Amino acid sequence: QKEVEQDPGPLSVPEGAIVSLNCTYSNSAFQYFMWYRQYSRKGPELLMYTYSSGNKEDGRFTAQVDKSSKYISLFIRDSQPSDSATYLCAMSIMNRDDKIIFGKGTRLHILP
Amino acid sequence: NAGVTQTPKFQVLKTGQSMTLQCAQDMNHEYMSWYRQDPGMGLRLIHYSVGAGITDQGEVPNGYNVSRSTTEDFPLRLLSAAPSQTSVYFCASNRGEGETQYFGPGTRLLVL
Repeated sequence: QKEVEQDPGPLSVPEGAIVSLNCTYSNSAFQYFMWYRQYSRKGPELLMYTYSSGNKEDGRFTAQVDKSSKYISLFIRDSQPSDSATYLCAMSIMNRDDKIIFGKGTRLHILP
Repeated sequence: NAGVTQTPKFQVLKTGQSMTLQCAQDMNHEYMSWYRQDPGMGLRLIHYSVGAGITDQGEVPNGYNVSRSTTEDFPLRLLSAAPSQTSVYFCASNRGEGETQYFGPGTRLLVL
């Protein structure tokens, strides 16, 4: 079982819809969870991060961590065509080593 | 701040040629990493450094060398390029263990 699993998509949704992106993981020691957005031919850029369990909201984006289920989600409300990108989840074990484990990314298309 | 910069943006090599991919950051981050990103494979860690003079291997280190003589720079050397090294290479830096990584714009490498 891979440490981080992420559906590669592509996921196509109409503009204005709520998007749900998810990752599952196997290592219960992960404490720091991140979502990166990567536009075509660009480097990944940090979108949101959370520490341990719970929700975090930033504008149209909400990150959710359920450590009991080893499941993290990113919700995008009122999706826009500019949200079309690949979204990578990432996670790490703080205070152990510097390695951050990435999911393979989900390609998202928002249809106008 | 320029953040993380990478040069060149694009490079074509012949099999057996050597080259150096440059990476620099101006955020005074101790940690720097090199990844390659291939379709369906996600981001794979090549080498990383936790400070000047300290480097270590990641998941796919074969065929690559690194050195870290200053905090700012972390070049990646391909000693004898192979077609299997055709990929997009990203450099990233972060402040400390497990903390958020900031990525450069990437170098697209084609080995013929």
